[in-house]
Formats: sequence, structure tokens, C-alpha cells
Amino acid sequence: SQQGEEDPQALSIQEGENATMNCSYKTSINNLQWYRQNSGRGLVHLILIRSNEREKHSGRLRVTLDTSKKSSSLLITASRAADTASYFCATDGSGTYKYIFGTGTRLKVLA
Amino acid sequence: DAGVIQSPRHEVTEMGQEVTLRCKPISGHNSLFWYRQTMMRGLELLIYFNNNVPIDDSGMPEDRFSAKMPNASFSTLKIQPSEPRDSAVYFCASAGQMLNYGYTFGSGTRLTVV
Repeated sequence: SQQGEEDPQALSIQEGENATMNCSYKTSINNLQWYRQNSGRGLVHLILIRSNEREKHSGRLRVTLDTSKKSSSLLITASRAADTASYFCATDGSGTYKYIFGTGTRLKVLA
Repeated sequence: DAGVIQSPRHEVTEMGQEVTLRCKPISGHNSLFWYRQTMMRGLELLIYFNNNVPIDDSGMPEDRFSAKMPNASFSTLKIQPSEPRDSAVYFCASAGQMLNYGYTFGSGTRLTVV
């Protein structure tokens, strides 16, 4: 299976701190995406990084990709209570828009 | 655009009953996906449509599950007969050609089979 696996499973930090989540996957990919899911809601797309990219930024988000290690990280800087959510990585294996989601990291930001 | 619209938001049904979940994708998106989310198994891809044609249904659990996309603006996921182990949140998502925007998910249908 090419399913991604996030690490840690759960993370609790204070507001203002940085949060780092990691994703490992098993097979070669074309793209990797990160999503956020608030409790009881659908997933929201955060950022997509292509296999030929090593780093990408979007606001307070920074994503890195290391295809040699088959891993990616999501960094949220200056976290806010509103960042409390589950974060998932999703990987494709064939560029056909078929993405498989990882197990997720539950982030709790304490005010 | 109102986003991906799923109905109903919640469904409680008795074991053995037929359940139909509905999805309206974003206009112009040509890919549609049904996912199931449970605590035990996380997010599972059930079926993927491209241009209304089922491309990959390898994730459909068993013959009790079926999905259709009669046109570009509507899809259904049917479970017949339903079983308690089908209880989960079912998400529909759509995507367009500009993959940089990723998938757009609906709010999901929380299905409880008693």
C-alpha cells in the first residue's frame, strides 16, 4: 500500500509555538498534498508539493519533501488555537488524481 | 460556488435497509471520489469517477455497495442491505484539471446503522 503515515499521531502545543508533523509513504509519487480536518467537518486542501519540489510555503505553512527518504513535513509557525484540527497527507502513485490519505496527526493548540 | 454538496448530513437506519447517499460536485470538476472515514481504518477511497465513468472501484467493500454518476452534476452511493459495520462518515470530493487546488470535499454524511 502507498498509504502515508503521519507522525506523531497526536501533538499538543501552546499558542505561538511551531508545530511540525511528518508524513512517510511507501511508493514513488508525483505529488503530495496536505489537508486539514476540523472536528465533524470535511477535509480542506492546504498545499500541494510536486515530486520535483523540495519546499513550498503558504502563509504560516511550510512543507518540505524528501523523495529519497519518502517523507514530507508540514510546519505551522506561530500556531493559533484555530489551528486545532487533524492534519493528513495524501499521496498519489500514478498521477491519475487517485490520492491515498494517511492516518493523520491530531493537533491541539492550547490558548 | 457552494462547494461540494452532500445529502443527507446525518442518516440513521436499521440494519437491512437500503441507504442512498448523494453528492453534487463542483461545476466544471471532472473527477469525483467517494471516501469513507472511520476511527479504525481512517480515510478509505471507495470509488473514483472521471468524466462520469467509474475508473477505480477497487475500494468498494463488497457487492452491497454501488455507486453511480449519471451526469456531471450528481453521484450516488448506495448500500443495500446496510449493516452496522457500515457506520461511518462518507465523504464525496471533486477535483478539476488544475490539481494545484487539490480535492474539494463535501461536509460528509454521518451514517449510523443500528
